[in-house]
Amino acid sequence: NAGVMQNPRHLVRRRGQEARLRCSPVKGHSHVYWYRQLPEEGLKFMVYLQKENIIDESGMPKERFSAEFPKEGPSILRIQQVVRGDSAAYFCASSPTRDSGEAFFGQGTRLTVV
Amino acid sequence: GQQLNQSPQSMFIQEGEDVSMNCTSSSIFNTWLWYKQDPGEGPVLLIALYKAGELTSNGRLTAQFGITRKDSFLNISASIPSDVGIYFCAGLSGSARQLTFGSGTQLTVLP
Repeated sequence: NAGVMQNPRHLVRRRGQEARLRCSPVKGHSHVYWYRQLPEEGLKFMVYLQKENIIDESGMPKERFSAEFPKEGPSILRIQQVVRGDSAAYFCASSPTRDSGEAFFGQGTRLTVV
Repeated sequence: GQQLNQSPQSMFIQEGEDVSMNCTSSSIFNTWLWYKQDPGEGPVLLIALYKAGELTSNGRLTAQFGITRKDSFLNISASIPSDVGIYFCAGLSGSARQLTFGSGTQLTVLP
């Protein structure tokens, strides 16, 4: 009965490198949400995906950030050419329906850019 | 964008005391949710509220969906050490699919 699995739990990247964050949703869930959390702040929505489709990316920066949720495999949040300001905890949540009120959160990936 | 104002920002209480925290917004929400986040972990859903005026309990936790749909509160009764953590309110409005989160209430329970 696995919940939302995110990996890696911790990721350190140098400025300019790429970061790839993975999220395996709860089995049978086809709706995935990515949120970002800065220290001592609440979570901020980034992107909402269904299988193979981006439904809402209004919270994701237009440059350097991309997300996908392929037919097979985990959802990937990709950050190219990372900068120090990208350091944060990134959480993925999955839901069986498009109602994100039913979503379960993963343990997050803590990205540190040095 | 929409914002949720959550207060207090932090609380220090004695074990056994009751605690209350709340969230307010200038916008209407159709769903209110309360989460707890432990250090290094993701948020865990505590209570979900779907109707204005609804009062829902989960063990020692009670939450209410404000009648104006612009506020919600969470009460914890007879606090225990494992209640320590950050509590977040979150709202879902209209056709929005994403949650709007409050800034959190850091709860510390003193023995």
